Amino acid sequence: QKEVEQNSGPLSVPEGAIASLNCTYSDRGSQSFFWYRQYSGKSPELIMFIYSNGDKEDGRFTAQLNKASQYVSLLIRDSQPSDSATYLCAASSGTYKYIFGTGTRLKVLA
Amino acid sequence: EAQVTQNPRYLITVTGKKLTVTCSQNMNHEYMSWYRQDPGLGLRQIYYSMNVEVTDKGDVPEGYKVSRKEKRNFPLILESPSPNQTSLYFCASSMGLRDGETQYFGPGTRLLVL
Repeated sequence: QKEVEQNSGPLSVPEGAIASLNCTYSDRGSQSFFWYRQYSGKSPELIMFIYSNGDKEDGRFTAQLNKASQYVSLLIRDSQPSDSATYLCAASSGTYKYIFGTGTRLKVLA
Repeated sequence: EAQVTQNPRYLITVTGKKLTVTCSQNMNHEYMSWYRQDPGLGLRQIYYSMNVEVTDKGDVPEGYKVSRKEKRNFPLILESPSPNQTSLYFCASSMGLRDGETQYFGPGTRLLVL
């Protein structure tokens, strides 16, 4: 069974700190990785995608991928209370199938 | 406005009564997909469609049917709903599941089967 695993949290960080969210995946054939943010009662929205080993930065967000360790992470710099949400990690092997993790709940404390 | 719409947004029904949840997108996307989201289980893919008349099973297809007769519409059909299909359902669309392509999610349909 192909899996994407995340710590459910909640992960609590003070405002202005760096939030670090982690995700591991079991399918070595996974090629693309996605981070979605989901506010309570809302639909998921894409924050970032990454498919090459290393770091990818977009504003306050940095995605990191290590295919050898089957590990994906998302760093949120200067965390704001508005970043409080559930973050979903997803993997795709390029076969039109997405496998999602169960999500990590992030709480940014003002 | 580019969007994915779902109807109904909320539905209460009884076991065995056939129902259809509609999904429509106005972005000319080739790819559409249905997910269910349950506490502790996350988002699980039910069915997906790569284009008109092309559909395939996701991880949890049992008890569901889909059709893709038009590019913009991808209805989800529950022929005989059961209580274990009580869930939050999301439809999503994208240009295709190539590297870098994002899925756009609809607002969700909350289904309760009694």
